[in-house]
Parts: sequence; structure tokens; C-alpha cells
Amino acid sequence: DTGVSQDPRHKITKRGQNVTFRCDPISEHNRLYWYRQTLGQGPEFLTYFQNEAQLEKSRLLSDRFSAERPKGSFSTLEIQRTEQGDSAMYLCASSVGQGNTEAFFGQGTRLTVV
Amino acid sequence: GESVGLHLPTLSVQEGDNSIINCAYSNSASDYFIWYKQESGKGPQFIIDIRSNMDKRQGQRVTVLLNKTVKHLSLQIAATQPGDSAVYFCAENKNTGGFKTIFGAGTRLFVKA
Repeated sequence: DTGVSQDPRHKITKRGQNVTFRCDPISEHNRLYWYRQTLGQGPEFLTYFQNEAQLEKSRLLSDRFSAERPKGSFSTLEIQRTEQGDSAMYLCASSVGQGNTEAFFGQGTRLTVV
Repeated sequence: GESVGLHLPTLSVQEGDNSIINCAYSNSASDYFIWYKQESGKGPQFIIDIRSNMDKRQGQRVTVLLNKTVKHLSLQIAATQPGDSAVYFCAENKNTGGFKTIFGAGTRLFVKA
């Protein structure tokens, strides 16, 4: 499978703990996006990378959230001091090229904070 | 602010009929409008997009119509099949150097056999 891969698929954590998610985009894709999706809602944009540069961050991304893409390939999203409101599906997507709107999404990491 | 919303949360159609899913948007500055399909347990899947200077685009069994006068977007699915059952999101995209995509809340399509 050469699609976008996310790990883990599910994560249950206690409130206050830190969690880290990984995304492996499609190999030739230079753009990588993180979204958060809650039940019944559309995905909400969190942040975007072009290669290793983080070019945009949503105001939804509080200081407890940090994302990296150190070598322009895989990316990690870390949430520190998790809160129950962080419970959601975290989706990663990648795309390639200028003027290309087609983003390929992974299956997501479902986070449950108890 | 920017927003993309949908008229109906659910739509039920008979297999073989055509489906029309509607969407309203408020950001006239968007460069593209996009439809995504999301099946249970999966990430969204790109269906079709339309550039803001167009009013119609056709794909395989799908047609997207854009009415900029009333800021309305629709997705038409011809000969709806059980495999079309999913949540459909309209989304808008502005080239700010990153094609940030803003999604609406979604319409769930049920296809009755």
C-alpha cells in the first residue's frame, strides 16, 4: 500500500499525558497537512508543511500542540498535557504540485483522552 | 469569516436514482471548490474539484455545479449505487501558497436498495 500511512490507528491516554502521532505521506508528495475531525463534523485544518517548512498553523493549534517534519518526509504531531477536549480523529493528508487540490488522506489516528 | 455549510445533514435515495447534494459557501475569494467522500472508518477521498472561474465540471458519474451569484455548490451523482453511501463534504481552497482546505460539516448519503 503506497497511500498515506498513520500510526497508531487508535490511542487511549489519560488526561495530562503526552501523545505523539506519526504520518508517512506518499513518497513524492512535498505537501503535508494535519487535520482534526470530531464526530459529525468536517475535518478542521491544523497545520501545513511544504517539504520540511511549516508554512501555516491554525489558531486551533494551541501551544500544547507541535508538529514537525524534520527531513521533509514523515511528520509527527505531539500533544502535550492532553485534555478531554483533545479527543478526536487526527487526519494527515499529502499532496504534490502547484495548483493541485487533490489531497490524499490517511485513515487517521483516533485519540481518546480519559 | 470563512465558512462552508451544507443545507441538509442526511439524504436518502433509491439505488439507480440521481443524487444531488447541496452546499453554500461564504468566502468569495476561494480559488477552488472541492467535493470529498468519507466512508466509515476512512479518511476523506477526493472526488472532484472546480475552479472558481468555472460553473460546471463533469467526472465519472459526478457533476459539480458552481453558482457564484448565490454562492452555491452542488454535487450530482448519476445512477447512485450502494457504494456511494458515505458522508460527502464540500470544501473550499484558496491558494495562499499551501492550498489550505476548509471543510463543511457534511451530508450523509444513504442509498436504499
